[in-house]
Amino acid sequence: EVQLVESGGGLVQPGRSLKLSCAASGFTFSNYYMAWVRQAPKKGLEWVATISTSGSRTYYPDSVKGRFTISRDNAKSSLYLQMNSLKSEDTATYYCARRPYGGYVDYWGQGVMVTVSS
Amino acid sequence: DVLMTQTPVSLPVSLGGQVSISCRSSQSLVHSDGNTYLHWYLQKPGQSPQLLIYRVSNRFSGVPDRFSGSGSGTDFTLKISRVEPEDLGVYYCLQSTHFPYTFGAGTKLELK
Repeated sequence: EVQLVESGGGLVQPGRSLKLSCAASGFTFSNYYMAWVRQAPKKGLEWVATISTSGSRTYYPDSVKGRFTISRDNAKSSLYLQMNSLKSEDTATYYCARRPYGGYVDYWGQGVMVTVSS
Repeated sequence: DVLMTQTPVSLPVSLGGQVSISCRSSQSLVHSDGNTYLHWYLQKPGQSPQLLIYRVSNRFSGVPDRFSGSGSGTDFTLKISRVEPEDLGVYYCLQSTHFPYTFGAGTKLELK
């Protein structure tokens, strides 16, 4: 059974940093692209970052480019999202997700809440 | 960025009924490789989104055949027949043809 478990969320002040983690199990982690998708409270979904199987390629939308860094440790079957210079508009539930070929995500974690507020 | 427009925003339904949700894109979703990367998700209350349909019309593992996807180019439809209580929630379309990937704003399926 595919499982994705996020951790590391919480309350953080604007301008500060936070690092999210995602522990994957139930599949060969190193064979899949992975992604982070977020959802602001009572809002829709926004794709935040994608990483290739080896970690050599990463993709970000303009809204987070230069502030967020996605990374992975295939030996630990873990995905990360380093978030710097956080803004109030980054407040959201962040989902770790598996991304097979075709650009969609097929399995999602339960999500972790990040609140950016003073 | 590609704008994904879903209609309607809210969709009242009776159990056992049939509904359609539309998703229109501001650009063609046909990729240079010939594939169309349009997908559908359902987010039930208090849960993470779950994949229903990938690449326009392919049902994901375990998704009942009451769900069907169709469309091409910029115009796509998700049909749900014989609606059951577990089908209620918010439906999203996602395009992954053009970067950045973008979701529709959602269609809330609720009981009449």
